[in-house]
Amino acid sequence: NAGVMQNPRHLVRRRGQEARLRCSPMKGHSHVYWYRQLPEEGLKFMVYLQKENIIDESGMPKERFSAEFPKEGPSILRIQQVVRGDSAAYFCASSPQPNQPQHFGDGTRLSIL
Amino acid sequence: ELKVEQNPLFLSMQEGKNYTIYCNYSTTSDRLYWYRQDPGKSLESLFVLLSNGAVKQEGRLMASLDTKARLSTLHITAAVHDLSATYFCAVDLLISGTYKYIFGTGTRLKVLA
Repeated sequence: NAGVMQNPRHLVRRRGQEARLRCSPMKGHSHVYWYRQLPEEGLKFMVYLQKENIIDESGMPKERFSAEFPKEGPSILRIQQVVRGDSAAYFCASSPQPNQPQHFGDGTRLSIL
Repeated sequence: ELKVEQNPLFLSMQEGKNYTIYCNYSTTSDRLYWYRQDPGKSLESLFVLLSNGAVKQEGRLMASLDTKARLSTLHITAAVHDLSATYFCAVDLLISGTYKYIFGTGTRLKVLA
């Protein structure tokens, strides 16, 4: 039973480019959460999605960041016009129901040159 | 403001010694999680504490939860080098109709041989 799959594991972008991070939840999980971890810090909630719906995006920066979870395919976290401050590890988690423990992926480490 | 605070932030200890990491949170929650993170890696789930007075043990680690005091502890017994990692607690909160994890600041543990 595959866990939460994130890709790529590492992503390097230059300032101004776009970054796309993908997350395939565990089989049977329809609730997806994205978190950001800055160096030497804990994880911060960004957004919670259920198939085709954004449920809570209170942790997302208001500009340049967007997330989707289409009916088919993985959840995508998209960062447009990246800046140095976007360098971080981005973790995805999934759960079968919103009140059940979340399972985390291995993360995508984004570096901005 | 919702806060989850851990102390100490850094802990250096000798092998064979005992120590306790504390996790305080600022609002009501009935569920608390402990995770381990090795450098550059994802989060490894250690314990899920679901009720007041819950105590769980795995190997040299034991976690407890006091929901009235809003406090969880992670006790390390006879530390070994392999326990060196960063430990996070996370509180599962129902906010505006959705559950989200609020992570603590992390405790970076280094066990010296």
